[in-house]
Amino acid sequence: DVKVTQSSRYLVKRTGEKVFLECVQDMDHENMFWYRQDPGLGLRLIYFSYDVKMKEKGDIPEGYSVSREKKERFSLILESASTNQTSMYLCASSPIRRSNQPQHFGDGTRLSIL
Amino acid sequence: AQSVSQHNHHVILSEAASLELGCNYSYGGTVNLFWYVQYPGQHLQLLLKYFSGDPLVKGIKGFEAEFIKSKFSFNLRKPSVQWSDTAEYFCAVNARGSSNTGKLIFGQGTTLQVKP
Repeated sequence: DVKVTQSSRYLVKRTGEKVFLECVQDMDHENMFWYRQDPGLGLRLIYFSYDVKMKEKGDIPEGYSVSREKKERFSLILESASTNQTSMYLCASSPIRRSNQPQHFGDGTRLSIL
Repeated sequence: AQSVSQHNHHVILSEAASLELGCNYSYGGTVNLFWYVQYPGQHLQLLLKYFSGDPLVKGIKGFEAEFIKSKFSFNLRKPSVQWSDTAEYFCAVNARGSSNTGKLIFGQGTTLQVKP
């Protein structure tokens, strides 16, 4: 069974801090995704990556960056955290670009920016 | 641009009632369609998916969905809900063919509360 592991379930940071959210998948998937989930807005794609060192902007990339140095790991970086980035962050992976295979999700990180 | 709309934001049902959650998408090309569920405190998991063939697809836990191409709809149904179906449900779409990067577009989600 696919396992997508996010490093923290809950995280509290201060405004202006640089924040790292880590995600690891164990199924050799090419595609990895970062979403944020907010009530009434569903899931919105921040960034995705379909290969090592490759990244593409999603729908709401402002204020975020990503890093994919190894195939199994995809990091989301909040360069200077702000209160409007308080949210639930979900990481997902799926095999092979242009595949019809569904995405597999991690448990999420609930991030609070004070 | 693709978009997905879920009509019901919060649904409250009694056990044994029938369920139908609406999902409409906007996209001119061919799509893959998904329903995901998120139980309280758990990760999103796939309920069912449609790629091609029979437009009535069956998923886990007695759920089914029907793809109606002319209506751009993919509604989720269950004949008789249980208290354990209390969860948030998301409809999602991605484009098929050369434009398919594996990206999913999600609807806003529907919170289902089943009263025992």
